[in-house]
Amino acid sequence: DTAVSQTPKYLVTQMGNDKSIKCEQNLGHDTMYWYKQDSKKFLKIMFSYNNKELIINETVPNRFSPKSPDKAHLNLHINSLELGDSAVYFCASSHGTVSYEQYFGPGTRLTVT
Amino acid sequence: GENVEQHPSTLSVQEGDSAVIKCTYSDSASNYFPWYKQELGKRPQLIIDIRSNVGEKKDQRIAVTLNKTAKHFSLHITETQPEDSAVYFCAASTGNQFYFGTGTSLTVIP
Repeated sequence: DTAVSQTPKYLVTQMGNDKSIKCEQNLGHDTMYWYKQDSKKFLKIMFSYNNKELIINETVPNRFSPKSPDKAHLNLHINSLELGDSAVYFCASSHGTVSYEQYFGPGTRLTVT
Repeated sequence: GENVEQHPSTLSVQEGDSAVIKCTYSDSASNYFPWYKQELGKRPQLIIDIRSNVGEKKDQRIAVTLNKTAKHFSLHITETQPEDSAVYFCAASTGNQFYFGTGTSLTVIP
């Protein structure tokens, strides 16, 4: 009955590697998001995406790219990982045209060594 | 873009007292203002929200007020309990984009 799920929960990798985080929602929502939460707990939106439009936060490096195979999934692919990418990444979804309420996934703790 | 400021960054209250967290925003187009609670190691969860056509909303011990003219909104928690201890985030949104405040770490002392 999990509404928004993410895999993996923990990810430890070395600098320079490429990795992906997967997100799935079973709420029938039409909009999905990726957030980054750093060590100071700042929660910053990275992308919002629905069937028609991808909105990118201009501060996000182009090493980060969202990929949506279908409406229920929004994966995050990261190229050439850097130490500063270490953070908790949250996926979220909302039914944007009906309610703005966002449902967050459990988070993926990424550690780059 | 939108800029959301949140104060205080930390707040300690005695159990049973009230807690108030304040946020300001810059974009007059923002029309949705949610508050999220994040317990340690958990995901943020919505506790209350308010839209720009409403000045105040209450849900049991939690209330939110919005002043559109001054572009600020506040979270009020009455009769605080130890389980209210968490990080609270305000946010402002125009619909597609959400901008979060920097968070307030609330500690309720038994």
